[in-house]
Amino acid sequence: SQKIEQNSEALNIQEGKTATLTCNYTNYSPAYLQWYRQDPGRGPVFLLLIRENEKEKRKERLKVTFDTTLKQSLFHITASQPADSATYLCALEEATGNQFYFGTGTSLTVIP
Amino acid sequence: DAGITQSPRHKVTETGTPVTLRCHQTENHRYMYWYRQDPGHGLRLIHYSYGVKDTDKGEVSDGYSVSRSKTEDFLLTLESATSSQTSVYFCAISESRDYEQYFGPGTRLTVT
Repeated sequence: SQKIEQNSEALNIQEGKTATLTCNYTNYSPAYLQWYRQDPGRGPVFLLLIRENEKEKRKERLKVTFDTTLKQSLFHITASQPADSATYLCALEEATGNQFYFGTGTSLTVIP
Repeated sequence: DAGITQSPRHKVTETGTPVTLRCHQTENHRYMYWYRQDPGHGLRLIHYSYGVKDTDKGEVSDGYSVSRSKTEDFLLTLESATSSQTSVYFCAISESRDYEQYFGPGTRLTVT
């Protein structure tokens, strides 16, 4: 069956450290993968998109990698801040068709 | 923030009644999406639209219908609401298929 799995438990890290979130997928052939941030009671907010032919993307303190052999994406937040505390969602679209799928998310807490 | 609104923001309705949720955008984006978000399942695509009068089913379309008669409006209808459709519903828009999605604030629907 198809599934997208993110860190199974909430992630707590100290301020200033690098947070690494994982997204593993099974039985999908994604054209690209996206990462979103969601705060309680709000809609998701887009952060980064990485395509199947790209290995790495960066935006300010954010970095995402995409390994189609391992079927995995890693999302890094460097120099983390308490304001980075949120739920982070990975999402992918199949290379064939317009179906879009989200993982269940990882709750990140950055401790001051 | 992208110009996207949802109405109503909260609704309580009884089992068996019809319900229509509205998504309105001011960005002139071609693609519009309806998702539901439930604990343990994450965001799941219900239906999407790739133009006026052009719609297609998502992962969890049973019990839902959609219509798009204007670029700016995308309606989600529950013909006969059931308790299993109690959820938070998000609308999203994007310029094109492989672009980031912008999400609305969500509608919390409770079916009693």
